[in-house]
Amino acid sequence: GDSVTQMEGPVTLSEEAFLTINCTYTATGYPSLFWYVQYPGEGLQLLLKATKADDKGSNKGFEATYRKETTSFHLEKGSVQVSDSAVYFCALTGSSNTGKLIFGQGTTLQVKP
Amino acid sequence: GAVVSQHPSWVICKSGTSVKIECRSLDFQATTMFWYRQFPKQSLMLMATSNEGSKATYEQGVEKDKFLINHASLTLSTLTVTSAHPEDSSFYICSAYGLSGNTDTQYFGPGTRLTVL
Repeated sequence: GDSVTQMEGPVTLSEEAFLTINCTYTATGYPSLFWYVQYPGEGLQLLLKATKADDKGSNKGFEATYRKETTSFHLEKGSVQVSDSAVYFCALTGSSNTGKLIFGQGTTLQVKP
Repeated sequence: GAVVSQHPSWVICKSGTSVKIECRSLDFQATTMFWYRQFPKQSLMLMATSNEGSKATYEQGVEKDKFLINHASLTLSTLTVTSAHPEDSSFYICSAYGLSGNTDTQYFGPGTRLTVL
């Protein structure tokens, strides 16, 4: 079945450091790919998404490119801030477009001043 | 934009009692609502898919008689944990899915923390 694998955390960085959180997936067909963020004590928020190969999703300085050849959707940010500390989830929906999301295990990011 | 609310945000109950959690979408008609369960420091596990006016579809391993889901309208779905036990303690999250304009959109609720004593 479809699945998503993320790098294990926690990831601890200093402010202004470069961030990469790896995400790879297994899916039949052509899934849409997402990154969600969960700030402490809050619900999940959509951070960015890409719906087809080579699409780049971007938001709030974060970027991720849908790489079909490597089945990856790595999240990057050039300069992290303390306020970026949160749990990040990579997810996909199947090509049947039912809205059903399959999540990775989540990666905790801690940014220190 | 659309907001999905959950009520209550947290609940503590005694073992053996039932607890109802509401999920409401505001300014957004959700043709489908999803219910997830999240264990501490773990990912979200999909429990069931709820379509308005029809029976919920449960994921493998989820007891439908224990987790009763009702999707009464396009803006309200409820999850009832029946005869709750300590192992049911968890963070329950709903999401509302539907069309916003011409775009498939999904919004998540803030979650409900259930503690069963």
